[in-house]
Amino acid sequence: AQSVTQLDSQVPVFEEAPVELRCNYSSSVSVYLFWYVQYPNQGLQLLLKYLSGSTLVESINGFEAEFNKSQTSFHLRKPSVHISDTAEYFCAVSDYDTDKLIFGTGTRLQVFP
Amino acid sequence: GAVVSQHPSRVICKSGTSVKIECRSLDFQATTMFWYRQFPKKSLMLMATSNEGSKATYEQGVEKDKFLINHASLTLSTLTVTSAHPEDSSFYICSAREDRYTDTQYFGPGTRLTVL
Repeated sequence: AQSVTQLDSQVPVFEEAPVELRCNYSSSVSVYLFWYVQYPNQGLQLLLKYLSGSTLVESINGFEAEFNKSQTSFHLRKPSVHISDTAEYFCAVSDYDTDKLIFGTGTRLQVFP
Repeated sequence: GAVVSQHPSRVICKSGTSVKIECRSLDFQATTMFWYRQFPKKSLMLMATSNEGSKATYEQGVEKDKFLINHASLTLSTLTVTSAHPEDSSFYICSAREDRYTDTQYFGPGTRLTVL
């Protein structure tokens, strides 16, 4: 069975500081990996995804994540955060056979001025 | 592109009544739609997977007679919470996927259900 672990439930950070949100997964097969962001009182929005190819994937708003197969990780990073990045971030994993998204418990990113 | 809508965004109902939530893919045809439930400060819990024209597949522990799912067209799926009780109060989110090869789910904005 697959699982996703987001060890940090909350990450407070000051504006313009770098941030890393950690995500580890377990799976016995090849996986697809996703990061979703949920702003207050809204649904989830796809931030970025890894399906195959380059292990470093980027989003349009400056986030990036690197798939590390040996460490079974897909950490999300941003070199300089903005107040508007304050949100809940969910890491998720799926594979072609199970056809389901398994979510982590989420990390609340709180950016302070 | 890839917009998914849900209606209503909020609903308050009395205990014992039924509530229907609609999920629509606005600019693509969704062969598969998923229904999730999100508890406060918790992750999303997959309730069921529905493919257009076939019966939904429910996750273990989800009562299929209580949470009726219909996926009648490639752009619409509905979730009906039958005989709702206060413990059914939650945030219900749907997602839609165009096909299995794209493997990306696009999420609706969610529906906040409050059962009094």
